[in-house]
Amino acid sequence: GAVVSQHPSRVICKSGTSVKIECRSLDFQATTMFWYRQFPKQSLMLMATSNEGSKATYEQGVEKDKFLINHASLTLSTLTVTSAHPEDSSFYICSARTGYNYGYTFGSGTRLTVV
Amino acid sequence: DAKTTQPTSMDCAEGRAANLPCNHSTISGNEYVYWYRQIHSQGPQYIIHGLKNNETNEMASLIITEDRKSSTLILPHATLRDTAVYYCIVRGQTTGANSKLTFGKGITLSVRP
Repeated sequence: GAVVSQHPSRVICKSGTSVKIECRSLDFQATTMFWYRQFPKQSLMLMATSNEGSKATYEQGVEKDKFLINHASLTLSTLTVTSAHPEDSSFYICSARTGYNYGYTFGSGTRLTVV
Repeated sequence: DAKTTQPTSMDCAEGRAANLPCNHSTISGNEYVYWYRQIHSQGPQYIIHGLKNNETNEMASLIITEDRKSSTLILPHATLRDTAVYYCIVRGQTTGANSKLTFGKGITLSVRP
């Protein structure tokens, strides 16, 4: 089946630094990928929709200059958290829409801790 | 996409069937019912989806009422590894930027030994 690989699984960074998270579709092409954020004991909140070759579409309240999304190929989307602060600490999850059953495959998530 | 309502939590005994309800009274004719689950600290996992007929796969069965206003996900023989948050999501088969998947709060299923 379709596999989405997300890397790294865990990252700790200092306040003010930037962190890049990668999301790869391993055995299919993904023209559209989605980035979610999940705080403890809460549901997944969609941050942005990443479209190959074009600008990402951000959800209301998500700072596009802080969360940079690049979808330069059909198999790779990246999320860069710039000038990270402790309140950015969260679980970040990517997903891609597969052709199978119009379903969505999710990455395993990235636990970001900003200290 | 139509809104869904799920109980906050439920539990069941290991080996017994787990029946997870979902209400989607505003569902429209071209919207599907999807079920995903999220085990702690992992990405969501697709379980099953359906339009109006009941569906079954190796993981679960999906029973959709005739009026499509509610559905039930059935895990026939729950195991401890089925403990997770289960999300019922209703959406149409749109594409591109409009095809985003919106998660509600889901139902926490606890399987007890």
